[in-house]
Amino acid sequence: QSALTQPASVSGSPGQSITISCTGTSSDVGGYNYVSWYQQHPGKVPKLMIYDVSNRPSGVSNRFSGSKSGNTASLTISGLQAEDEADYYCSSYTSSTYRVFGGGTRLTVL
Amino acid sequence: QVQLVQSGAEVKKPGASVKVSCKASGYTFTDYYVHWVRQAPGQGLEWVGWIKPHTGATSYAQKFQGRVTMTRDTPISTAYMDLSNLRPDDTAVYYCARTASLSYGMDVWGQGTTVTVSS
Repeated sequence: QSALTQPASVSGSPGQSITISCTGTSSDVGGYNYVSWYQQHPGKVPKLMIYDVSNRPSGVSNRFSGSKSGNTASLTISGLQAEDEADYYCSSYTSSTYRVFGGGTRLTVL
Repeated sequence: QVQLVQSGAEVKKPGASVKVSCKASGYTFTDYYVHWVRQAPGQGLEWVGWIKPHTGATSYAQKFQGRVTMTRDTPISTAYMDLSNLRPDDTAVYYCARTASLSYGMDVWGQGTTVTVSS
């Protein structure tokens, strides 16, 4: 099972919006509405930000939103803040191994 | 509060085995899957496998099959991951995390256990 494909890095200025893509196949991202997104600050534990493509857990800011089209899922962060600077990982349920992660995207807030 | 507490850091020699524990509290242990995820230094997250505490059923990433064993002790709400025949590239932080089903997001994570493999 290959990892899902994410851009290595994205950047944006405070107040702007950015989108991180996550591309898989019809056996994972495209086949199920079970994509989740995680935020990880350096040296910290990953935190669930989005589950089931577009749902936010309690306590997660509504500046974070998720969507999916075909085999590509996306995480959008609006109103960028300095505290959003972190690594972001997507993950999908798969028909074969049950779980796969993306390679991760480093978000830099300029 | 809901939490997963993992065992402490380990240093092992190549070829040895390591067993990491993950103790759950604040929720019904058998109602959730426990996944194991690792992160090598400077690298991304890598799924290792899961165990269903209620039945003991397991599933492992193909890469680890034959070297990993996941077990649980339900009376003490603890899951274990045993990784054998360790290699230097197994050096990583190993996390446990729970999900309500096979498809749900990992909503609670352990603090991580650093495993270092070095001669």
